[in-house]
Amino acid sequence: KNQVEQSPQSLIILEGKNCTLQCNYTVSPFSNLRWYKQDTGRGPVSLTIMTFSENTKSNGRYTATLDADTKQSSLHITASQLSDSASYICVVKGLSGSARQLTFGSGTQLTVLP
Amino acid sequence: DVKVTQSSRYLVKRTGEKVFLECVQDMDHENMFWYRQDPGLGLRLIYFSYDVKMKEKGDIPEGYSVSREKKERFSLILESASTNQTSMYLCASGDRINTEAFFGQGTRLTVV
Repeated sequence: KNQVEQSPQSLIILEGKNCTLQCNYTVSPFSNLRWYKQDTGRGPVSLTIMTFSENTKSNGRYTATLDADTKQSSLHITASQLSDSASYICVVKGLSGSARQLTFGSGTQLTVLP
Repeated sequence: DVKVTQSSRYLVKRTGEKVFLECVQDMDHENMFWYRQDPGLGLRLIYFSYDVKMKEKGDIPEGYSVSREKKERFSLILESASTNQTSMYLCASGDRINTEAFFGQGTRLTVV
């Protein structure tokens, strides 16, 4: 069964500090991996999408890494801001032709304190 | 700017009521999805549609039905709302190969 596991479940950091969120998956065959940010009470918004051949991708202060061999991804947030407080969701897309091919992690709840 | 719009941010309904959740996308996407999101369970797929009038059950379709009469609109129907359907409902759309999924702002449904 395809699975996406995220860790930690929750994380509290001080404003200005860096942090790293982890995502391990078993989806195979693999098409791409996405990180979404979901503010409380809102829908998820895409941060990055990484394909099999990409190792690192940045979007401002967000940097995602992917190791397709070990089936692991991380999202690194640099110089955190209060507005980074949100849930971060890892989503893996399989290669099957079905539209149900997206597998979601349960998310990491990040809280940034002043 | 791409847009997926859900008709309501918050809804409160009584047990047994028929509930309609509407979703509209302006990107001419073939695929549309309905998920529910509950604490600790992540997003779970209820139904999806890959074309007008075409639909497939997701992982938790019981108690729900859907309608897609026009390409841009995908409706989720709770035939007889129950308290265990209290949840956050998220609509999403994607192109034919799901290059990326775009989400609506969510509908927080409370069934009392």
